[in-house]
Amino acid sequence: KAGVTQTPRYLIKTRGQQVTLSCSPISGHRSVSWYQQTPGQGLQFLFEYFSETQRNKGNFPGRFSGRQFSNSRSEMNVSTLELGDSALYLCASSRDRNTEAFFGQGTRLTVV
Amino acid sequence: GQQLNQSPQSMFIQEGEDVSMNCTSSSIFNTWLWYKQDPGEGPVLLIALYKAGELTSNGRLTAQFGITRKDSFLNISASIPSDVGIYFCAGQKSGGGADGLTFGKGTHLIIQP
Repeated sequence: KAGVTQTPRYLIKTRGQQVTLSCSPISGHRSVSWYQQTPGQGLQFLFEYFSETQRNKGNFPGRFSGRQFSNSRSEMNVSTLELGDSALYLCASSRDRNTEAFFGQGTRLTVV
Repeated sequence: GQQLNQSPQSMFIQEGEDVSMNCTSSSIFNTWLWYKQDPGEGPVLLIALYKAGELTSNGRLTAQFGITRKDSFLNISASIPSDVGIYFCAGQKSGGGADGLTFGKGTHLIIQP
């Protein structure tokens, strides 16, 4: 059974640009959550999608957004990139809400 | 956002030693999860705990869900070189909650030859 797949693995963007990251959950999993990991703040929750609807949102500015498609695949978008957005962005999938979360390998975003 | 208090921050041990780390919180969680993360990779789920007082094992790993629902510990017995990495605890509240998973800052395990 394939795990959580995130693309791309690495990304370099310039300040002010926007970026879209993709996540394919484990087959049969319907919940997808996104996390930002930085050395200073650790792992922080961005948002959760279930049945194509955003169910929860962490304490991040509106520049961070996402969506989920009918096949449970999810994308997150960051607009007007700032240097501080440089981080490892992790996607986690769960069979249902409040069940065990399995993480992908992450997308390493560097903003220059 | 809220984070769990995870300790110790790092551990330097000899191969074969037992390891113990724990997490505490001022909030109650309905689920505790323990993850291991290797450099450049995503966290890998080690153990999930669902009931207060529950003690669960996975090979050389043992974890317990505190009776107050505000803490958890993870033990690793007879450590081996591949145990090196960063271990994270994570708590989850029922109903999803506004915070998703709340993570500790991690315990960095280093095994000295």
